[in-house]
Amino acid sequence: DQQVKQNSPSLSVQEGRISILNCDYTNSMFDYFLWYKKYPAEGPTFLISISSIKDKNEDGRFTVFLNKSAKHLSLHIVPSQPGDSAVYFCAASRDDKIIFGKGTRLHILP
Amino acid sequence: EAEVAQSPRYKITEKSQAVAFWCDPISGHATLYWYRQILGQGPELLVQFQDESVVDDSQLPKDRFSAERLKGVDSTLKIQPAELGDSAMYLCASSFQGGGVVPLDEQFFGPGTRLTVL
Repeated sequence: DQQVKQNSPSLSVQEGRISILNCDYTNSMFDYFLWYKKYPAEGPTFLISISSIKDKNEDGRFTVFLNKSAKHLSLHIVPSQPGDSAVYFCAASRDDKIIFGKGTRLHILP
Repeated sequence: EAEVAQSPRYKITEKSQAVAFWCDPISGHATLYWYRQILGQGPELLVQFQDESVVDDSQLPKDRFSAERLKGVDSTLKIQPAELGDSAMYLCASSFQGGGVVPLDEQFFGPGTRLTVL
């Protein structure tokens, strides 16, 4: 029973355009939602987070939107760059426990 | 820049053999996590240490897996005997406090050990 779901295994986006990665969750008790980025042969690295009491958090080219009523969050990357090609994990946190989704592989096309 | 170190990076073993993975967290980090990431899945927590104590090993298959952090610094994860289904990436992460002391305590991941069981 997955508590954090990323239903798109992969996504291809043209360089310079907007990348939108989606995530759904089932447990309304999560305190924070996070996005991690993972390159091959490396561990995941933290990208951006959002508190459950917020609906938007922005950091440079990255913006995370949270819709609590729909139990849905999304990561927007604008503009997309070649170095953004990676696997993106959506994750949810309560206390110090993190539950990860399966990941979405983002391909940025030249 | 401080990093979480893991070794080996890659390990190939035959089923029924014993394997061990090592992790050295970022200096000063009290909490250490071992995750398993199966191909096509997200990382799943196996065990969590607060200093030298296990605080969560509910997902650790204790019949074959063991973990220790004797001095509250580095840690070892062991599998004995290894099974084909254990093939995965084993990730170690650390955080400064953990334990829910702060609302969000960032976890820093190491590069992982990729285990292949033949």
